[in-house]
Amino acid sequence: GQQLNQSPQSMFIQEGEDVSMNCTSSSIFNTWLWYKQDPGEGPVLLIALYKAGELTSNGRLTAQFGITRKDSFLNISASIPSDVGIYFCAGQRTGANSKLTFGKGITLSVRP
Amino acid sequence: DVKVTQSSRYLVKRTGEKVFLECVQDMDHENMFWYRQDPGLGLRLIYFSYDVKMKEKGDIPEGYSVSREKKERFSLILESASTNQTSMYLCASSSSTGLVHGYTFGSGTRLTVV
Repeated sequence: GQQLNQSPQSMFIQEGEDVSMNCTSSSIFNTWLWYKQDPGEGPVLLIALYKAGELTSNGRLTAQFGITRKDSFLNISASIPSDVGIYFCAGQRTGANSKLTFGKGITLSVRP
Repeated sequence: DVKVTQSSRYLVKRTGEKVFLECVQDMDHENMFWYRQDPGLGLRLIYFSYDVKMKEKGDIPEGYSVSREKKERFSLILESASTNQTSMYLCASSSSTGLVHGYTFGSGTRLTVV
C-alpha cells in the first residue's frame, strides 16, 4: 500500500537543539497526524491537523498542514533526552472508515 | 483514560504453533486494526475490521487471520507460526463518528518465533 515519505530514517541531534521533520505525499490528504513511539511502546498521537495551512502547537512541538495538502512538517524546539523515539506522520482522507496512511517513521536520538 | 490493551507484551512461540494475539478497547470504537512493525519497514497493515464479524485484508494478510466476535475485541491469529513472523504487533482502534482523531494504539506485543 501507499506510504508517506519521511526521511532520513534516523536523526541525531544535541540536547537543546531544534529539529524539523518533513512528510510528503504524491496525493492529497484531508487530515494530517503526527505520532511518537517511545521504545517498547505503541505510537501515541502528538498533534492532529485538519485544515490546509493550519499551524498547531503542543508545548515544544509545532506542526503545520501544508497548503497543497500533500505535506506536513513537525518541529521540536529545545530538544530534551526524552524526545528520543520514532516519529510517524500519517494522512487520512475524508470518510468515516478511511484508513490512515503512515510514513515509515524517523528515529530521533538526542545526545546529552 | 481511554485504552487499547494488548494481552501480552512479550511472547515466545515455536515454529508451527497456532498463536493468538488479543486486543481489547474500551472506547466503543467501531474500527480496529492489526499492524506489524519491522525495522526499516514502518507499520504494515495486516487486517482491519469496521464492525463486529466484519474483516478486511490489509497489505500483508498472508499467514494471518482475525476474529471479531464482540465490538471491543479483535484477535489476530497466526495459523502456523513461522520465524519470519517474528515482529512487533500493534493493535489500534478508531471511531467512525465525530471529528477524526486518528488511531489509538496499544502498547504492542513483541512476538519471537523460534
